[in-house]
Formats: sequence, C-alpha cells, structure tokens
Amino acid sequence: DAKTTQPPSMDCAEGRAANLPCNHSTISGNEYVYWYRQIHSQGPQYIIHGLKNNETNEMASLIITEDRKSSTLILPHATLRDTAVYYCIVRGSSYKLIFGSGTRLLVRP
Amino acid sequence: KAGVTQTPRYLIKTRGQQVTLSCSPISGHRSVSWYQQTPGQGLQFLFEYFSETQRNKGNFPGRFSGRQFSNSRSEMNVSTLELGDSALYLCASSTTGINEKLFFGSGTQLSVL
Repeated sequence: DAKTTQPPSMDCAEGRAANLPCNHSTISGNEYVYWYRQIHSQGPQYIIHGLKNNETNEMASLIITEDRKSSTLILPHATLRDTAVYYCIVRGSSYKLIFGSGTRLLVRP
Repeated sequence: KAGVTQTPRYLIKTRGQQVTLSCSPISGHRSVSWYQQTPGQGLQFLFEYFSETQRNKGNFPGRFSGRQFSNSRSEMNVSTLELGDSALYLCASSTTGINEKLFFGSGTQLSVL
C-alpha cells in the first residue's frame, strides 16, 4: 500500500469549508484512497473513499486529481463536532489499513 | 443495526499478567481486525480474521494472539504483559475485509502497571 503525506494540523472557522489535502504520489492503479477520522478516545470513523472519480456523500466530498497523486477531503460546512484527527489512507487488496500521523483539524467557533 | 461492541471498555493489569479482550462485530460481518493505538506509535495493525482463519498479521511479538469464533466474534489475548502494552485496542469489522470500509468499535483502554 502506498504511503501518504498530510499536514500535521489545520484549522478553519465554524461554518466554513475545511479542505484537507493528502499526497499519495506512489499510488498504483488498483489502490483506493480512504478517509477516516478519529475523535478523541473513540474508534476511527469512515468518511469516504474513491478510486479515481470524485465522490460525495452526506459527510464530505473527495476530490482526486487526474494523475491520482493527491486528493482533498472537503467538509463543506465545518462544525465544532468535526474537530478530530483525519487520516488519509491508500489501500489496495490488503486486509489492513496503514494509518499515518493524520491531520489534526481544529474547528474554531 | 448494532455497531461493533468491545468489552471491557477499561482494564487495568499488572506486568506479567495476561489479558483477553473481546469484540462482537456488526451482524453479518465476517471479517474482524484488531489495531493497537499508542501515543508514540499511532495506530498499528495487529491481525485480521475471516471465517475463523487468520489471514494477515502485523509486526507484533508472539505474545499477541487472537482467534475468531464461528459466530464471527473475536478475542485477542496478550500474555506476559509489559508496560509498553498499555494502549487503546481497537477492533473493526467488515463484510469481507477487502477494499471496503471498516467499522470500528470504541476500543478497550488497557493500562499495565
């Protein structure tokens, strides 16, 4: 599974969009990009995943560049409850998730 | 549908003891995987089971073991506990375990004194 690089921390104002970048330059053709988040002392929560097309669900949007070497998770209207550590994970046909350090997102009132 | 249930939520043990943690997956899920989370090492994969068979194992010593029962419930065991085993142990389940989202439980916080 390819390695990912994320900024260690970010912040945004409540009600504004939060855009979390992820670099995965060594991704291969059959590997998916997954996003999870972890709120303090809880288990990670699945947010969204995609292969090459942009994806949207009730929680977020995932934008993957055409060359698939990077992606952006967008929380359209961040709330205080979105304060968490966000993990970008690249996963192929593997039974496991390899978590990096993630991005600590702080949503300011 | 009930989520992934882990018991106990908190556990305190002393060095040298052993411990067993339990995980009940979401109904219908046959894949169960375990992760260890520490402040220093982050989230690390321990092992994954599907239909009572271990399919993948992380880089942990043999003191860490697990099993899965026919009803998909899983247990993990740590023998001869060390101080460094203090961690949040997380269980996740999914239908097949391959290229699909995982559902995590709230974890068991283990403290070794």
